[in-house]
Amino acid sequence: GAVVSQHPSRVICKSGTSVKIECRSLDFQATTMFWYRQFPKKSLMLMATSNEGSKATYEQGVEKDKFLINHASLTLSTLTVTSAHPEDSSFYICSVRQGGVISYEQYFGPGTRLTVT
Amino acid sequence: AQSVSQHNHHVILSEAASLELGCNYSYGGTVNLFWYVQYPGQHLQLLLKYFSGDPLVKGIKGFEAEFIKSKFSFNLRKPSVQWSDTAEYFCAVNAFGSSASKIIFGSGTRLSIRP
Repeated sequence: GAVVSQHPSRVICKSGTSVKIECRSLDFQATTMFWYRQFPKKSLMLMATSNEGSKATYEQGVEKDKFLINHASLTLSTLTVTSAHPEDSSFYICSVRQGGVISYEQYFGPGTRLTVT
Repeated sequence: AQSVSQHNHHVILSEAASLELGCNYSYGGTVNLFWYVQYPGQHLQLLLKYFSGDPLVKGIKGFEAEFIKSKFSFNLRKPSVQWSDTAEYFCAVNAFGSSASKIIFGSGTRLSIRP
C-alpha cells in the first residue's frame, strides 16, 4: 500500500495563530486525499476530501474558511488551521486514496497532534 | 445516510481466547467494508477488506471477517488472540450510490489482552 507521511508529528501553537499540517504521499501519486480528525477515545471524523487541482469538498459542519485545504500536487496536501482556538486541539490524520473510482482503499498517515494553548 | 455501528466499546480477553467484534452498517445498496487496526502510538493499518466475492475474507495476523448481507454485518474474528493484538479496531464502510464515495468509520472497539 501507499506510504503516507505527515509533518509535523506534533505542534503546539497559541490561540489566534494559524498552523499548517502537511500530508505527503511518498510512493504514490494521489489525486484524492482525505483529512480526518480524531478525538480522544473517539472514532475518526471525516473533515474533507482533498482533490488535486480543485477545491476540497468539506463535510457538513466543517468550516471551510477555518480549515483551509490545498492539494497543489499529486503528492502533497496541506491543512491549515486558521485562527486556532483550544477547541481545535485534536489529532489530525490524512489518508491517501488508492484504487478505482468505486472500490478503493485508504492508507493513513501517522497523524499530527495539535495543541492550542 | 450510511452509518457504521460497533457495539463493543471495550473488550477484555485473556491470551488464547477467541475474539469476535461486532460491526453493523446501515445502507441498502452495494458496499465495500473494511477493518482497520490502530496499535498504541501507531497509525491506522488495514487489517482486511471486502469488495466482492467470497463473503469470508482473511486478513493479516490471523484475522478474518464475514460479510452477512442479510444482517448488514461484517464481524471481525480471530480464533486465538495474542497480547500483541491489544489495539483499537475500527470498522468502516464505503457505500456506493450515496452522495459521495467516502469511507465512514465506526466508533471503534478497544481490545485489551491480558497476558
